[in-house]
Order: sequence, then structure tokens, then C-alpha cells
Amino acid sequence: KAGVTQTPRYLIKTRGQQVTLSCSPISGHRSVSWYQQTPGQGLQFLFEYFSETQRNKGNFPGRFSGRQFSNSRSEMNVSTLELGDSALYLCASSPQGSRQGETQYFGPGTRLLVL
Amino acid sequence: AQSVTQLGSHVSVSEGALVLLRCNYSSSVPPYLFWYVQYPNQGLQLLLKYTSAATLVKGINGFEAEFKKSETSFHLTKPSAHMSDAAEYFCAVSSFNDYKLSFGAGTTVTVRA
Repeated sequence: KAGVTQTPRYLIKTRGQQVTLSCSPISGHRSVSWYQQTPGQGLQFLFEYFSETQRNKGNFPGRFSGRQFSNSRSEMNVSTLELGDSALYLCASSPQGSRQGETQYFGPGTRLLVL
Repeated sequence: AQSVTQLGSHVSVSEGALVLLRCNYSSSVPPYLFWYVQYPNQGLQLLLKYTSAATLVKGINGFEAEFKKSETSFHLTKPSAHMSDAAEYFCAVSSFNDYKLSFGAGTTVTVRA
């Protein structure tokens, strides 16, 4: 089975622009979560989608949003980019997103640089 | 709320020596605990996880971890370090009422020849 794929792998944007990142989960997985990784804040949860519905949301401003399509692919969008949004954005998928310690499988990430 | 603390941001070991990475958790409900590894410019790969079955968990690449409720710990060990173990390691916790993974700050392991 193919793993979690994320596109693009690298992205450079300027302040004020917006960006859309894409994630394709492992085939058959229905839950997709997004995490932000920065040197200062570490790994932080952004949100989780299951069956096209946002089921859980982290403590990020409304500039960060996401969605999930019927094929479980997910996108996240960041509007009005700030320098502090520079980070590695990781997507993770799991079969059911169950609360029973289900493993989340991570993609390689999208590295975003905001200038 | 749930959280983990990883003691030591950097660990340096000699090839063939024991690797010990420390993780303590805080959770008001029974936790699920994970260790992930991240190689440069890559995502996270699961090493092992604890989900309330056996307290001694064996993972990939010779790693294992022991869940100790009395000490609220989930330390990761490997008896003999290999050069390929050089990476960053993250401990994470989730629970039945909080699906998201809450990560520790990470521990970078370097292996000396």
C-alpha cells in the first residue's frame, strides 16, 4: 500500500498570501489529521477530519482551515500568511480515527517558508 | 489535558552502547503512548505504541519501551546503538477522550563511531 502523500513538498510564499496544502491518506483510511512542526513550538495539532467533517480542532487562529473530500483526501489552507507560519506541516491518516489508540501514519510533510 | 515530557533534548551514545530515552506523561484518563522517529527531511515513523495490553512493548529496529503507571513513564530503550539510529525521537500521548497526539519536545540522538 502506498503511504501518506503530501503535495507540494516545498513551498515559498510571501507575507499576506494564502496557501493550500494537500494530503492523500493511505487507501482505506478515513481519518486525516494535520500537525504543524516548528523549532520553537514543536509538534502541534491543527485539526482532524473524518468523513468530510472536522471532528477535532487545535488551538490555532481562524486563518488555518481545512476540508476533507469524499475520497478522504484533505486540504489545509492558511490565509494571510505570517512569518511565524513557516513550518513543516505534517498530515497523518488512520483507518477509523478511533479513540482506542489507533496508529496515525504520517506523510513526509510540506515545508512552508514565508518571506 | 494530557501531555508528555521528554527529559534531555540531546543524547549522544557510542555505537553498540545502550540507548535510553526518557518520557514521562500526564493524563487524567488511561493513556495511549507512542514513540515516533523522524529522520532528516522526513515525516514521523511509528516505533512502537502502548494501548493497555502488555506493559513491555517491542517495536521495530530493536527498540522497546516499558509502561510504568506508578512512575507515569514510558522510556524507550535499545540495547545496542547503530549508526542508523541517529535521528530525532518523539514521545506522544493520546487517550479515549482526546484523539489527537500530544507530543514531547523531542530528543535528538547522535551515535559516535
